[in-house]
Amino acid sequence: EVQLVESGGGLVQPGGSLRLSCAGSGFSFNSYWMTWVRQTPGKGLEWVANIKEDGSEKYYVDSVKGRFTISRDNAKNSLYLQMSSLRAEDTALYYCARGQILTLWGQGTLVTVSS
Amino acid sequence: ENVLTQSPGTLSLSPGERATLSCRASQSVSSGYLAWYQQKPGQAPSLLIYGASSRATGIPDRFSGSGSGTDFTLTISRLEPEDFAVYYCQQYGSSIPYTFGQGTKLEIK
Repeated sequence: EVQLVESGGGLVQPGGSLRLSCAGSGFSFNSYWMTWVRQTPGKGLEWVANIKEDGSEKYYVDSVKGRFTISRDNAKNSLYLQMSSLRAEDTALYYCARGQILTLWGQGTLVTVSS
Repeated sequence: ENVLTQSPGTLSLSPGERATLSCRASQSVSSGYLAWYQQKPGQAPSLLIYGASSRATGIPDRFSGSGSGTDFTLTISRLEPEDFAVYYCQQYGSSIPYTFGQGTKLEIK
């Protein structure tokens, strides 16, 4: 089955860190850009970061630059988002998605930043 | 950042009617790199349209996209009960970050 499955979300204190993972299956993971998108009730969908097929290019939205790092391990068909210096406004449901055109989405993992 | 503004915020229509959703960009979207997504409650978004007018795999032909430059439209020709959802536009391809619009909720009248 073609799918993406996120994990690693949870409750973290402001200033803390968290690492999200996304496992892809049923398709050639190393042939696609991969993307993280987050969703909050108040702000809708927000594109967070993406990474080229071989990991050689990475792009971020300004609000997470210097705090979040996107990476991938093609041997493990996995995408990651290392998040540090977390803020309350990072609270969201985080989706991983396949491509620059987001043709496949996972079910999301919830990150809550609160003391 | 290329800001996308969708209108209306909420659209109330009946099954069988035609829906027209608008997405306006603050800067020209190069090469028509504009996508539309549908999101139903409790689900992740799913791709409907890419390249402004190309339907994604499996999307019925009652969904169509049009537009260029800064003005884009998603049209649903005859609404089916399963079409009532939230719709987002997104620009991609050249202008980082790949921004989304704030969404249009299509609700049953």
